[in-house]
Amino acid sequence: RKEVEQDPGPFNVPEGATVAFNCTYSNSASQSFFWYRQDCRKEPKLLMSVYSSGNEDGRFTAQLNRASQYISLLIRDSKLSDSATYLCVGLDTGRRALTFGSGTRLQVQP
Amino acid sequence: DTAVSQTPKYLVTQMGNDKSIKCEQNLGHDTMYWYKQDSKKFLKIMFSYNNKELIINETVPNRFSPKSPDKAHLNLHINSLELGDSAVYFCASSQVLTGLENEQFFGPGTRLTVL
Repeated sequence: RKEVEQDPGPFNVPEGATVAFNCTYSNSASQSFFWYRQDCRKEPKLLMSVYSSGNEDGRFTAQLNRASQYISLLIRDSKLSDSATYLCVGLDTGRRALTFGSGTRLQVQP
Repeated sequence: DTAVSQTPKYLVTQMGNDKSIKCEQNLGHDTMYWYKQDSKKFLKIMFSYNNKELIINETVPNRFSPKSPDKAHLNLHINSLELGDSAVYFCASSQVLTGLENEQFFGPGTRLTVL
């Protein structure tokens, strides 16, 4: 079983839609979580860190449920420019290593 | 002003050859990493260095040898290349190793094709 698992996608949504991605992790040693974004044939870039109490950054909201080992990302009012692959990432504090999910591809259509 | 740079961007070579990929960061970070992204887009850590000290060495064939001459550079040398080594290799750096402040900045990637 992979340490970080994500919805495989692709998610095809119209502009303006709200879309949610889910992610589960199996390694309870993972203490910190992030969402990274990767555009086609580009490098991953940090979208946002995920705080235990949940956090919002503009149209993006991240939630963490440690009891269920579940992380989510909500994107409101989708833009064409949101089209990318979203990577759920856990940081294993002991190993000091990031573990990436395989990513969920989002395609926002006009 | 490229924060994390890698050379070359593309590398096409024959099986059995030895090749190197170079990485440099100008962010003043203490920690650098090498990741491999395979054809299924799965990104997996290979190595990490903190202040030139090897921190993580995942289950990677010993044909892969990282070298960190200083904090700003982490190069990857690969001996006896195999078909399965074809992938995109990303270098990254971060200021800290742990916590929510561990934002990693990635280089543009090196697309390695072994024929």
